[in-house]
Amino acid sequence: DAGITQSPRHKVTETGTPVTLRCHQTENHRYMYWYRQDPGHGLRLIHYSYGVKDTDKGEVSDGYSVSRSKTEDFLLTLESATSSQTSVYFCAINPGNRNLNTEAFFGQGTRLTVV
Amino acid sequence: DAKTTQPTSMDCAEGRAANLPCNHSTISGNEYVYWYRQIHSQGPQYIIHGLKNNETNEMASLIITEDRKSSTLILPHATLRDTAVYYCIVRGAGGTSYGKLTFGQGTILTVHP
Repeated sequence: DAGITQSPRHKVTETGTPVTLRCHQTENHRYMYWYRQDPGHGLRLIHYSYGVKDTDKGEVSDGYSVSRSKTEDFLLTLESATSSQTSVYFCAINPGNRNLNTEAFFGQGTRLTVV
Repeated sequence: DAKTTQPTSMDCAEGRAANLPCNHSTISGNEYVYWYRQIHSQGPQYIIHGLKNNETNEMASLIITEDRKSSTLILPHATLRDTAVYYCIVRGAGGTSYGKLTFGQGTILTVHP
């Protein structure tokens, strides 16, 4: 398995509190992604990073921010969690040499519940 | 982004080949077709990908039509552990879609004894 670790794996938090999810990789891959998965919607891209300090928005970025201060870590922050952000969050990594002929590998997910 | 169309669900008998179809009629010339699967709530697992030629690896075979408008994922000898949601994805090749994997609803494959 690709060296991807998501933490925490499960979290329950209250509405209005800040939450940070961490994705850590040991593959030295350039590209990292955050997705969320909800029933009826499949996986949707939140944010992605194409290098240290280089990030961009995905299709469902509202309410989320990200940071990548070093190659191995990609952080997803919910500044003020809402119940609509209850979801399963997946991180993915890709070698990212701008070549489409490379597969992305996914972490095991973080189940976040906002109450 | 090129869209994909997959059947919502399929059944397969254990030990038989599972053939999962995917339509991607708007695919452009430099876009790859990727297949992933997701078992229960685990992270998506990479299966195979291809551009225009048929591909085979230890998990599956990918058959892409000559016009590239459709493809078929083949699991040659399905087992109960192959029960999962299978996603066919056209990987973005232009502009802001470059490199992104856009997931649809996928096909729920159920392998039964």
